[in-house]
Amino acid sequence: EAGVVQSPRYKIIEKKQPVAFWCNPISGHNTLYWYLQNLGQGPELLIRYENEEAVDDSQLPKDRFSAERLKGVDSTLKIQPAELGDSAVYLCASSRPGTGATQYFGPGTRLLVL
Amino acid sequence: GQQLNQSPQSMFIQEGEDVSMNCTSSSIFNTWLWYKQEPGEGPVLLIALYKAGELTSNGRLTAQFGITRKDSFLNISASIPSDVGIYFCAGLTYKTSGTYKYIFGTGTRLKVLA
Repeated sequence: EAGVVQSPRYKIIEKKQPVAFWCNPISGHNTLYWYLQNLGQGPELLIRYENEEAVDDSQLPKDRFSAERLKGVDSTLKIQPAELGDSAVYLCASSRPGTGATQYFGPGTRLLVL
Repeated sequence: GQQLNQSPQSMFIQEGEDVSMNCTSSSIFNTWLWYKQEPGEGPVLLIALYKAGELTSNGRLTAQFGITRKDSFLNISASIPSDVGIYFCAGLTYKTSGTYKYIFGTGTRLKVLA
């Protein structure tokens, strides 16, 4: 079974530029999560999807962050414009229907904003 | 964002030693989970605990769900060099009404000296 795929693995941009991250979850996992992980800290949930519906986006900074999961499979997280403080690892995870206790994480995208 | 308190923050131990770490919260959780994260990778689930007082093992790892439902403990016996990494706890609360919290701890960095 293929794991959660994320791309790109690394991204370096200048501040005020836009950036997008892509995630392909494990086949059959209808729940998809985007997390932010700052250096030296644990992941923090940004948004949770059940199929194509964003059921919890309360922690997503909506002034500059947006996400979509149009067909209920792949998802894209976008930042526009990026700020210096957005430098972090962006993790995608997926889980089977249910409570989502067992989440499978991708390797993450490491973003550096200069 | 909210993070659970983990201790110790880091540990340097000799190969063969046992390791203990814990995670505390001011909130009650229905499920406690323990993850391991290695450099450049996403967290990988080690153990999930679903009931207060539950004691669960996975090889040399043993975790317990605290009676108060506000804490959890992870023990690693006879550590080996490949145990190196960051260990995160996570607490999950899920209700059919829609309440959903999945909060990670601050992490315990483990280094094993051969």
